[in-house]
Amino acid sequence: EAQVTQNPRYLITVTGKKLTVTCSQNMNHEYMSWYRQDPGLGLRQIYYSMNVEVTDKGDVPEGYKVSRKEKRNFPLILESPSPNQTSLYFCASRGWGFGGELFFGEGSRLTVL
Amino acid sequence: GENVEQHPSTLSVQEGDSAVIKCTYSDSASNYFPWYKQELGKRPQLIIDIRSNVGEKKDQRIAVTLNKTAKHFSLHITETQPEDSAVYFCAATDATGDMRFGAGTRLTVKP
Repeated sequence: EAQVTQNPRYLITVTGKKLTVTCSQNMNHEYMSWYRQDPGLGLRQIYYSMNVEVTDKGDVPEGYKVSRKEKRNFPLILESPSPNQTSLYFCASRGWGFGGELFFGEGSRLTVL
Repeated sequence: GENVEQHPSTLSVQEGDSAVIKCTYSDSASNYFPWYKQELGKRPQLIIDIRSNVGEKKDQRIAVTLNKTAKHFSLHITETQPEDSAVYFCAATDATGDMRFGAGTRLTVKP
């Protein structure tokens, strides 16, 4: 089954404790991206990747890191989480080209205390 | 990068009425415009899309129109039903292949 898998789905952590949210897709997609969703603010892009070893900042990259060492994986790293990073995070992927459906993971709800 | 603006932010209609959501984009080279529906507690899912070489596309009660000259596109839902209640996002794919979203419209269909 074609899917984007994120883990963990839910996480409560404390300020400053490094964490990684994993994202994996099994569709051989070149493009992957991370979004955060906050009430009233829609889907704001954090980082995106056009292909392996190619990453770019989105609209809200501060406080986040990503890597794209393999085509299928695109982890989101919070080196020192802060309460303002409490949010719902979505990973997504799609095939190469200027179009094509963007497939979303189920989301990861992160709370930073 | 591409900038997408979406209006209105909230929309309430009576069941059976039509609903229209409008988006504008900034990059004239953008060429793919999808619409996503997000039900409460779920992930966004594609409901309809349109490419820049097409002016209108319909799928049952849903239609999307694109005006490339004005750089705006719209989602039209006819004969709305309570299950249409959700948050709707428009998006545009720019010349680099990156996709950006509008801020979303919360549609409520009152029975």
